[in-house]
Amino acid sequence: ETGVTQTPRHLVMGMTNKKSLKCEQHLGHNAMYWYKQSAKKPLELMFVYSLEERVENNSVPSRFSPECPNSSHLFLHLHTLQPEDSALYLCASSPLPDGAFTDTQYFGPGTRLTVL
Amino acid sequence: GENVEQHPSTLSVQEGDSAVIKCTYSDSASNYFPWYKQELGKRPQLIIDIRSNVGEKKDQRIAVTLNKTAKHFSLHITETQPEDSAVYFCAAIARQLTFGSGTQLTVLP
Repeated sequence: ETGVTQTPRHLVMGMTNKKSLKCEQHLGHNAMYWYKQSAKKPLELMFVYSLEERVENNSVPSRFSPECPNSSHLFLHLHTLQPEDSALYLCASSPLPDGAFTDTQYFGPGTRLTVL
Repeated sequence: GENVEQHPSTLSVQEGDSAVIKCTYSDSASNYFPWYKQELGKRPQLIIDIRSNVGEKKDQRIAVTLNKTAKHFSLHITETQPEDSAVYFCAAIARQLTFGSGTQLTVLP
């Protein structure tokens, strides 16, 4: 499947590093999302962008910084992370432009992040 | 905010039997309830969804029921097969999307 792609697929970083996760969607969608998936916990919605504007920020620590330069690309910039931030980070997109979240989420394959 | 509870957390069934996963939600404004299947090492994928104006929806071996009064919805899988083994997530959407904690379904051959 190539609808939503994420790079890198795996990332190991130290607590003082700065790295970025990239998401790209080829579906012509207008909304993009970042999720965190930790073991034995629900999927946690982190950020939502609708028409390149951030419409949701679910009390995410400032060490996570999203960027949406256009409707096809979404980045998650990481700096001074903690070991508890180790998780699978999933990007998703959906067609709706109004951020109503009522439409199907198409997920990327995720980036497995390990913070040492 | 919305709270979605999902039960059971693990479920094992014999091949050919039915499986039922239940979710409850707290926000009465929730109007869309998707179910996602996530196979090991793969991304979550939508398998069925239901909107608040519908009580039941079926797609081959999969069905979802919604009881708005009781604020719960359920996923039913009939004639289970080994390839149905995966983690299943429910979700509810009012103002934002909230996922349940997931159910690990194992279908034993």
